[in-house]
Amino acid sequence: EVQLVETGGGLVQPGNSLKLSCATSGFTFSTAWMNWIRQTPGKRLEWLAQIEDKSNNYFISYLESVKGRFTISRDDSKSSVYLQMNNLKEEDTAIYYCTPTGMDAWGQGASVTVSS
Amino acid sequence: DVVLTQTPPTLSATIGQSVSISCRSSQSLLDSDGDTYLNWLLQRPGQSPQLLIYSVSNLESGVPNRFSGSGSETDFTLKISGVEAEDLGVYYCMQATHAPYTFGAGTKLELK
Repeated sequence: EVQLVETGGGLVQPGNSLKLSCATSGFTFSTAWMNWIRQTPGKRLEWLAQIEDKSNNYFISYLESVKGRFTISRDDSKSSVYLQMNNLKEEDTAIYYCTPTGMDAWGQGASVTVSS
Repeated sequence: DVVLTQTPPTLSATIGQSVSISCRSSQSLLDSDGDTYLNWLLQRPGQSPQLLIYSVSNLESGVPNRFSGSGSETDFTLKISGVEAEDLGVYYCMQATHAPYTFGAGTKLELK
């Protein structure tokens, strides 16, 4: 059974940082391209970042609006993907999901609230 | 960025009724590899999204065959042939042909 478990969410003040983790199991993580997607309080879904696999040199792409603030990374030995979020803004408040590129598996999400 | 416009925003249906949701793209979603990366997702109340259909018309494993997808280039449709209570929720189309991946605003399916 495919499982994805996002952790690391919470309440942070604007300008602070947070690192999300996504632990996976049930599929061949090392060859999967992994994504972070968020869902705003208004229920809008927004793709944030993708990291490809080793055979593609772990190529990374970002949504332009988070480039320079968010960093995606992965650890194939732990079947995990991460999202480092810096200089957080109130508009980053959302539920954050990790998912493989086929979008065929989703975790429960990690809730991030940015507020003073 | 590719804009996906879903209509209607809300759909009221009775159990057993057949319904359709439209998703129109601001540009062709036909990729240079010949595939069209248009997917449909369902988010039931209180749950995470789940994949229903990928590449326009391919049913994800375990998804009932009352769901079907069709379309090409810029116009796509999700059809539910005989709505069941478990189908209620918000349906999203999304494209993975052009970076960045983008999603429609969603169509909420509710009981009439």
